[in-house]
Amino acid sequence: NAGVMQNPRHLVRRRGQEARLRCSPMKGHSHVYWYRQLPEEGLKFMVYLQKENIIDESGMPKERFSAEFPKEGPSILRIQQVVRGDSAAYFCASSPPGRFGQETQYFGPGTRLLVL
Amino acid sequence: LAKTTQPISMDSYEGQEVNITCSHNNIATNDYITWYQQFPSQGPRFIIQGYKTKVTNEVASLFIPADRKSSTLSLPRVSLSDTAVYYCLVGDMDSGGYQKVTFGTGTKLQVIP
Repeated sequence: NAGVMQNPRHLVRRRGQEARLRCSPMKGHSHVYWYRQLPEEGLKFMVYLQKENIIDESGMPKERFSAEFPKEGPSILRIQQVVRGDSAAYFCASSPPGRFGQETQYFGPGTRLLVL
Repeated sequence: LAKTTQPISMDSYEGQEVNITCSHNNIATNDYITWYQQFPSQGPRFIIQGYKTKVTNEVASLFIPADRKSSTLSLPRVSLSDTAVYYCLVGDMDSGGYQKVTFGTGTKLQVIP
């Protein structure tokens, strides 16, 4: 059973360009979470999605950031018009469905975004 | 949100037992306690999860007192490869029943030869 996959692993963008980060959850997992980690800091929750639904985006910046998890294909985190402050590691996690939510989250290797 | 407090860093010699304590004074009734390990340039990796008393797996033990306001991760006989950041998380349950975890800054464990 392959783990959570993220690509690209490294992404370099110039200010003003768009960044698209992809996440394929583990087989059988229908919940996807995105986190951002700045150097020497902990992970900060951004958004939680289920198939075709955004459940909680309270951690997402109000502008330029969007996320989706379509019926088919990977989850996408999209950052428009990137700025230097967007440089960070972005981690995706997935978990199986469960009523009380104490399912373990399995993390991908992350995408390191560098904005020049 | 249940907030967690852990030591920023710890040092230990190889072969010793390491105990990392986490405080979570406002833990809610439905919250579980989960510990993750993160190596540099990698995503966090699940270590252990518990609700109360003691949980043990092949990697670690988790001790949770009756009041659940703290927990202690115990790593037996650490090796150099255990050098990592360890995060204590408390699940934040909402009406939808999913776990919106909150990561703190974690404890940076340095194992010394």
